[in-house]
Amino acid sequence: DTGVSQNPRHKITKRGQNVTFRCDPISEHNRLYWYRQTLGQGPEFLTYFQNEAQLEKSRLLSDRFSAERPKGSFSTLEIQRTEQGDSAMYLCASSPGQGNSPLHFGNGTRLTVT
Amino acid sequence: ILNVEQSPQSLHVQEGDSTNFTCSFPSSNFYALHWYRWETAKSPEALFVMTLNGDEKKKGRISATLNTKEGYSYLYIKGSQPEDSATYLCAVDSGGFKTIFGAGTRLFVKA
Repeated sequence: DTGVSQNPRHKITKRGQNVTFRCDPISEHNRLYWYRQTLGQGPEFLTYFQNEAQLEKSRLLSDRFSAERPKGSFSTLEIQRTEQGDSAMYLCASSPGQGNSPLHFGNGTRLTVT
Repeated sequence: ILNVEQSPQSLHVQEGDSTNFTCSFPSSNFYALHWYRWETAKSPEALFVMTLNGDEKKKGRISATLNTKEGYSYLYIKGSQPEDSATYLCAVDSGGFKTIFGAGTRLFVKA
């Protein structure tokens, strides 16, 4: 069990640029989640995959955000035309999807939009 | 809309003090409650998962209780140590795909 891996750890970008983050979940986990966390808040749900299928996407997520999980393995989260309000910690988590399994989180990608 | 509330927002205690935090949630459509510990520069780590009313879980000096009828859970830390300093997150499943998190309680333990 190598844990959930996220890359990059930090990303600084200028407003208007596109960014892409990657998440490698624990290999036998079929569920994958993306959350966003800003200062003083708890993790906010963005989207969820069961294998390669994206089953739910938060209404809070604008059309500038897109996530994929090709082949049900790693996932990418892309933000197009970044805005300063996108600055946050982006957390990926996976779980085996059995019963009440807890989420296993990566260390997150901290995005700063200048 | 599921809303998970945690209190207090932050807590400063001395080493050796015992402390507790609260997590409140709507009692309808409850499926499971999770507690996580999130240390700075690390990833959130699962502490407990509880599903049944009256559940109690313990891990070393940390324990948690669950009341699903009134919609709350308590997390207790006995004899706080500096290494307990972290953000403690409560998260609730309502049977769907989403796990909804509270804003967390930030604990600072001074040596």
